[in-house]
Amino acid sequence: DQQVKQNSPSLSVQEGRISILNCDYTNSMFDYFLWYKKYPAEGPTFLISISSIKDKNEDGRFTVFLNKSAKHLSLHIVPSQPGDSAVYFCAAGTGNQFYFGTGTSLTVIP
Amino acid sequence: DAGVIQSPRHEVTEMGQEVTLRCKPISGHDYLFWYRQTMMRGLELLIYFNNNVPIDDSGMPEDRFSAKMPNASFSTLKIQPSEPRDSAVYFCASSLFPAAYGYTFGSGTRLTVV
Repeated sequence: DQQVKQNSPSLSVQEGRISILNCDYTNSMFDYFLWYKKYPAEGPTFLISISSIKDKNEDGRFTVFLNKSAKHLSLHIVPSQPGDSAVYFCAAGTGNQFYFGTGTSLTVIP
Repeated sequence: DAGVIQSPRHEVTEMGQEVTLRCKPISGHDYLFWYRQTMMRGLELLIYFNNNVPIDDSGMPEDRFSAKMPNASFSTLKIQPSEPRDSAVYFCASSLFPAAYGYTFGSGTRLTVV
């Protein structure tokens, strides 16, 4: 059974607008959360992380929000750019071992 | 640094044949992970090593799958015998501190079993 779920397989956003990608997890023991970006024919690349002691982490245009009570995290990209078009994976775990969602394909329309 | 290096990039084999996937992690990374990506299940963790020792292999689907890490710079994932349902992209990843820095993934091996 999937411990990490990304319920939106795809998302389209206009360039310059906000992209919001969502992720839910089931295990309350998870205390570290990661987002990865993946282009076709390449491996996923690490984007941003957050630990359970925080509810927000920001890195440039990327912000991750964590709602522990809802077991939900989201990735905000502002402003969205065409180069952000990729598949985004969220991952959750307890430190060394992470479980990944099935990914959300983001398309940023110029 | 060349990153995590996987070989081959593509592998096509016939059902019943043995397949060996190879990985060279980033030098100095203590953790090595093997993942499999499919459309239905996304990225599944198969096995991971810490300091060359297998820590958790509960994700290995069947006894047909085996993984080794004979030294800090090399790991293999072997499937014997291979089946069509093993067709997927297999990723190797390494890390020094997964929680803080995540993993660095290789480019993957696309396996097709016909």
